[in-house]
Amino acid sequence: KNQVEQSPQSLIILEGKNCTLQCNYTVSPFSNLRWYKQDTGRGPVSLTIMTFSENTKSNGRYTATLDADTKQSSLHITASQLSDSASYICVVSDRGSTLGRLYFGRGTQLTVWP
Amino acid sequence: EADIYQTPRYLVIGTGKKITLECSQTMGHDKMYWYQQDPGMELHLIHYSYGVNSTEKGDLSSESTVSRIRTEHFPLTLESARPSHTSQYLCASSVPGTPYGYTFGSGTRLTVV
Repeated sequence: KNQVEQSPQSLIILEGKNCTLQCNYTVSPFSNLRWYKQDTGRGPVSLTIMTFSENTKSNGRYTATLDADTKQSSLHITASQLSDSASYICVVSDRGSTLGRLYFGRGTQLTVWP
Repeated sequence: EADIYQTPRYLVIGTGKKITLECSQTMGHDKMYWYQQDPGMELHLIHYSYGVNSTEKGDLSSESTVSRIRTEHFPLTLESARPSHTSQYLCASSVPGTPYGYTFGSGTRLTVV
């Protein structure tokens, strides 16, 4: 069964600190992995997209890694800011259908305290 | 800035009412999607469309219906709202053949009382 599991479920850190969010998946055949940021009551916004051949990608203070062999990804946030408080969702796409079906994790709820 | 728009942002409505959630995109994307998301839970695909006059049901069974008469417009309708329909509804669109350009709207938070 294709699944995406994220950990931790929630995380509280102090402003300026770094943190790492984890994503494990069983989706096969794998096409790409995306990290989204979703503010409360808003739609998800794309942070990074990685295909099979990419093992790291950065977007400002966000750095995602991908290990396609172990089917694991992480999202590292550097020097956190209050505006980083949001849910971070890992999404994996398969290439087994023309739809390119997306499998969503439940997200990690990050809270940054001043 | 996302070029996909959903209205209304928030809707509180009584049981039994008919409602239509609007979704429009200005990017010319052929593929459009509706997702349902409950608090703290993952997004579930309820409808999708490959283009005009094409609509399909998604993974999660839904009593809602959709139509695609124009490329840019993909409304979702509930004929008779029930409290179990209370949720956030997210619209998205994408370009075929690439993971880039998959864009979500801001969502409609529906509450049925």
